[in-house]
Amino acid sequence: DAKTTQPPSMDCAEGRAANLPCNHSTISGNEYVYWYRQIHSQGPQYIIHGLKNNETNEMASLIITEDRKSSTLILPHATLRDTAVYYCSPKVGTYKYIFGTGTRLKVLA
Amino acid sequence: DSGVTQTPKHLITATGQRVTLRCSPRSGDLSVYWYQQSLDQGLQFLIQYYNGEERAKGNILERFSAQQFPDLHSELNLSSLELGDSALYFCASSPGVGPGAPLHFGNGTRLTVT
Repeated sequence: DAKTTQPPSMDCAEGRAANLPCNHSTISGNEYVYWYRQIHSQGPQYIIHGLKNNETNEMASLIITEDRKSSTLILPHATLRDTAVYYCSPKVGTYKYIFGTGTRLKVLA
Repeated sequence: DSGVTQTPKHLITATGQRVTLRCSPRSGDLSVYWYQQSLDQGLQFLIQYYNGEERAKGNILERFSAQQFPDLHSELNLSSLELGDSALYFCASSPGVGPGAPLHFGNGTRLTVT
C-alpha cells in the first residue's frame, strides 16, 4: 500500500501562505492524491485532489512533483480558521484511501 | 454540512458490551467507508462497501462487523468491547469508485468504553 509522510506540526503567521508538504513516494502512476483537513474532532473536510497536474480551487492550490513522489498543499492567505490537522491521502486501487497521521497546522495571529 | 449523517454522536458503554453505529451516506452516494480514530491518532481504515457489497477491508478486528443495506445506509457493529476500542468512528461516502471521487465524512460517533 502507498504510505505518506508529513511533518507532525507547522506554524504559519496569519495572512501568510502555508505550504504543507507530503511525501508519497510509493504511489502508483494512476493513483490520485487527496487532501483533507480536520478541525478539532469534527469529520475531515475535503480540500482538493490531483493526479499529475497542479490544481487550484477556492480553498487551496496543490502542487504535485513531476515524479509524483510528493505534493504540497498551499493555503495562499492563512487565517486563524485554517488551524487544523491536514492529511494527504493517496487513493490506492479502486476502493482504499490511505491516511497518515497528518500535519497539525497552527496559524498564529 | 457534508450530507453524511452518523448516529449516535456519543456512546458510553461498558467492556464486554455490543454497540451499533449507524451511517446515512449523502444522497446518491453508493460507497460507504468506515474509519477509526483513536486519541491523537490518524484515521485507520476499517472497511468499505459499494452498493451493498463489501469491497475492501482494512485493519478491522474480528469482533467488528459491518453491512450496507438496500437503502444504502450502513451499520458498524462492535462487540465484546474493550477499553482500547474507545475512539471516534467516522463514516464517509462517495458517489462510486471512480478515480476522482473524494470522500465526504460525517461528524463521527465518539465511543467511550468504561
